[in-house]
Amino acid sequence: AQRVTQPEKLLSVFKGAPVELKCNYSYSGSPELFWYVQYSRQRLQLLLRHISRESIKGFTADLNKGETSFHLKKPFAQEEDSAMYYCAGRGGGSYIPTFGRGTSLIVHP
Amino acid sequence: DTGVSQDPRHKITKRGQNVTFRCDPISEHNRLYWYRQTLGQGPEFLTYFQNEAQLEKSRLLSDRFSAERPKGSFSTLEIQRTEQGDSAMYLCASSSTDLGQESSYNEQFFGPGTRLTVL
Repeated sequence: AQRVTQPEKLLSVFKGAPVELKCNYSYSGSPELFWYVQYSRQRLQLLLRHISRESIKGFTADLNKGETSFHLKKPFAQEEDSAMYYCAGRGGGSYIPTFGRGTSLIVHP
Repeated sequence: DTGVSQDPRHKITKRGQNVTFRCDPISEHNRLYWYRQTLGQGPEFLTYFQNEAQLEKSRLLSDRFSAERPKGSFSTLEIQRTEQGDSAMYLCASSSTDLGQESSYNEQFFGPGTRLTVL
C-alpha cells in the first residue's frame, strides 16, 4: 500500500536549535510529496511541496529517492514554529494525497 | 470569500441518529474533498468531487455515508445511523485544476472542520 510514515509523534526543541521532522514514503514511480502545517486554532495549510524546491518560513525539504525520505528541516527553530506538521504524498495515478499521522513540534523559549 | 467554510463546527448526537454536514468551498474551486481525522492521526481521505461528479470514494466510506455536490458548489456529507466510531473531525477542502492538466495537484485549502461526537 502506498503510505507516508512519520515516526515521531512529538519533537521538542529549544529556540535556536536545528529541527528535522522525519517523513518516509512508500510510493512507486515518481510521487509528489508535501508538508502541511496546522498552528494552534488554525486550519491545516500547505507549507511546501517538493517540486517547488522552495524555502518557506526557513523550512526546506529534499526528496531523497534512495532513502525514500522527505524530511523537513530548519536550521534555527523559532517559538512560532510550534505546530502540528503532516507529511503527505500522492502517486500511482491518484490525485489524492495520503497524510501521515503528524508530528507535534514544540519549540521552547 | 474568506475561504472554505463548514457548518456546523460542532455536532453532538446520539448513536443511531442521522447527521448532515455542509461545506462551502472557495467559489472558483471545482474540486472538493472530504476527509476524516481522528485523534492522533492525519486526515484520511473519504471522497472527492470534480464539479458535481463524485470521482473517487475511499473504502472508508461505508454505506452509511453519502456525499453530494448537486450544483458543483457546496457539498453535504450525511452519516446515517451514526455509531460511536464515527466520532471524529470531518474536514472539507477545495482546490482548482489547471486547464488541460487533469492530473495536476493544486493546493488544497482546508476548512475549519466539523467535530462530531456520537454518544
